[in-house]
Amino acid sequence: QTVVTQEPSFSVSPGGAVTLTCGLTSGSVSTSHYSGWYKQTPGQAPRTLIYNTNIRSSGVPDRFSGSILGNKAALTITGAQADDESDYYCVLYVGSGISVFGGGTKLTVL
Amino acid sequence: EVQLVESGGGLVQPGGSLKLSCAVSGFTFSGSVMHWVRQAAGKGLEWVGRITSKSDDYATAYAASVKGRFAISRDDSKNTTYLQMNSLKTEDTAMYYCTRGGGPWGQGTLVTVSS
Repeated sequence: QTVVTQEPSFSVSPGGAVTLTCGLTSGSVSTSHYSGWYKQTPGQAPRTLIYNTNIRSSGVPDRFSGSILGNKAALTITGAQADDESDYYCVLYVGSGISVFGGGTKLTVL
Repeated sequence: EVQLVESGGGLVQPGGSLKLSCAVSGFTFSGSVMHWVRQAAGKGLEWVGRITSKSDDYATAYAASVKGRFAISRDDSKNTTYLQMNSLKTEDTAMYYCTRGGGPWGQGTLVTVSS
């Protein structure tokens, strides 16, 4: 069973930068996992931020960027704003048509 | 304007069946891979399954938790994808979303499995 890992929580100061990561309990994440990142506020549907490792979805500001850092996928947010406070989920393609979400990171801006 | 509208959710007894629909507008549905994702109350996102486009033979894939019970299909003439859910369990209770790979999401439809 493939398990995708994310930090349960993270905090960032307004105007600051933060990098959230997405890993595998066994193995390294690469571009072949076509990582994606999603933002969700309580009671709302998720919103796609990044797909295919580093491609921003339509309308997403360039403060959000995706990459591979070491053996993990990463989402970097710069110039953090109050409305960045949300849950962030990553997803990895693990082969045979199957994708797996991470458990999510609760980001606090304070 | 891009829109995905899920429908068909509701209350069903354990062991029952339900068919969800996701009607799409504003983008080229026929060429898009479509995914279903669910979220139980207070929990994280869970990938349910996906269907590819005609060019990839409408191939489907499913999470282990639903394989053999759920089936995804699509009707490109109606710009709609479907999620047929059989042998439902209480743990299938969740908000169900459809989404285009790398793109927009619907607002979801709530499925409650309870006696």
